[in-house]
Amino acid sequence: DAGVIQSPRHEVTEMGQEVTLRCKPISGHNSLFWYRQTMMRGLELLIYFNNNVPIDDSGMPEDRFSAKMPNASFSTLKIQPSEPRDSAVYFCASTLGDTSYEQYFGPGTRLTVT
Amino acid sequence: AQRVTQPEKLLSVFKGAPVELKCNYSYSGSPELFWYVQYSRQRLQLLLRHISRESIKGFTADLNKGETSFHLKKPFAQEEDSAMYYCALSPLGNEKLTFGTGTRLTIIP
Repeated sequence: DAGVIQSPRHEVTEMGQEVTLRCKPISGHNSLFWYRQTMMRGLELLIYFNNNVPIDDSGMPEDRFSAKMPNASFSTLKIQPSEPRDSAVYFCASTLGDTSYEQYFGPGTRLTVT
Repeated sequence: AQRVTQPEKLLSVFKGAPVELKCNYSYSGSPELFWYVQYSRQRLQLLLRHISRESIKGFTADLNKGETSFHLKKPFAQEEDSAMYYCALSPLGNEKLTFGTGTRLTIIP
């Protein structure tokens, strides 16, 4: 298993453009998490899904951010319009959804908004 | 609401010296505590969890409910321990993790 897959690995875009980040969780995992990592704030949970249903989106910064999980093997995080302060590394993680709690992280997408 | 505090952003320790990465938490209920690690060019991964009460790569962490702490310790640092370490908390029975801001540990040869 290749683990959690994220694409693209790097994204450079101009302010105002739409950005879509993609994640494929580990097969058989029931829960999926989106995080944002910055130097100042560390790892922040943006949103998480269980069985494709959004459970907690309280960490989504504002309406410019949206996330979907149309099926068990795919999720997207979209930023529209993007701003320079959105520059960060975005991680996706998945878990079995049982009591093991171990989250398996993807390699991250480094987003730079100029 | 829960909060995890890692007071040191950066920590440098000589090889062979003891290591302690501090973690304090704030949560009114029963927490599950974890340490995650990110080595250079690798993915963030689970290092250990308090319910397992195990030692991984020589690291241990004891949950001190009185002091609301979960410090990570290793008696003798090795160069390969250089990494970013995150302390994390989840409410018992809940898979949502709250992470601290992380501590970058550098082992000096």
